Amino acid sequence: SQQGEEDPQALSIQEGENATMNCSYKTSINNLQWYRQNSGRGLVHLILIRSNEREKHSGRLRVTLDTSKKSSSLLITASRAADTASYFCARRDSGGYQKVTFGTGTKLQVIP
Amino acid sequence: EAQVTQNPRYLITVTGKKLTVTCSQNMNHEYMSWYRQDPGLGLRQIYYSMNVEVTDKGDVPEGYKVSRKEKRNFPLILESPSPNQTSLYFCASIDSGTGRTDTQYFGPGTRLTVL
Repeated sequence: SQQGEEDPQALSIQEGENATMNCSYKTSINNLQWYRQNSGRGLVHLILIRSNEREKHSGRLRVTLDTSKKSSSLLITASRAADTASYFCARRDSGGYQKVTFGTGTKLQVIP
Repeated sequence: EAQVTQNPRYLITVTGKKLTVTCSQNMNHEYMSWYRQDPGLGLRQIYYSMNVEVTDKGDVPEGYKVSRKEKRNFPLILESPSPNQTSLYFCASIDSGTGRTDTQYFGPGTRLTVL
């Protein structure tokens, strides 16, 4: 399968703690995006990081990208119960065939 | 309001009965895509289109057809649905033109059951 690998598959933390999710891939990418999905509903775009960027922030979210290791991580700081959701990374390949490939996701549970 | 719409949202059908799921975006995006989501497998891309009359296969195109005759619409066609196509389907578009953000916008999803 060409799907990205995400770990952990599931993560349970207490409210206020930080949550880190990792995403690895094997191809050359144009960009990598992180999404949140609440229980089978639509996906919400969180952050996009381009292949020439190393780190991006948005509120309590921090994304890093290491193209030499072909990996990315999403850090959620000071987690809240409302952050409980599944998180997916998605890479857009570079070159002429610009497929988008999602990872299998990390299911995050934040316990109040 | 900028959005991607899909219809129908829910559909129960029988094996072999042709169906079309419509997708429309009002953001003038060039790139559009269809995904299916199955438990434990995340989202898998079925087909994508980088512009009008330009479509290409994603990772799981078997049993599906698409067309892109105009920029805003990208229908997904199941000529002869089978039970293994029971899934949650998402349409999406990407802001990929000049001055692009590359942000991908998703529709609300279509839950399809094939009996």
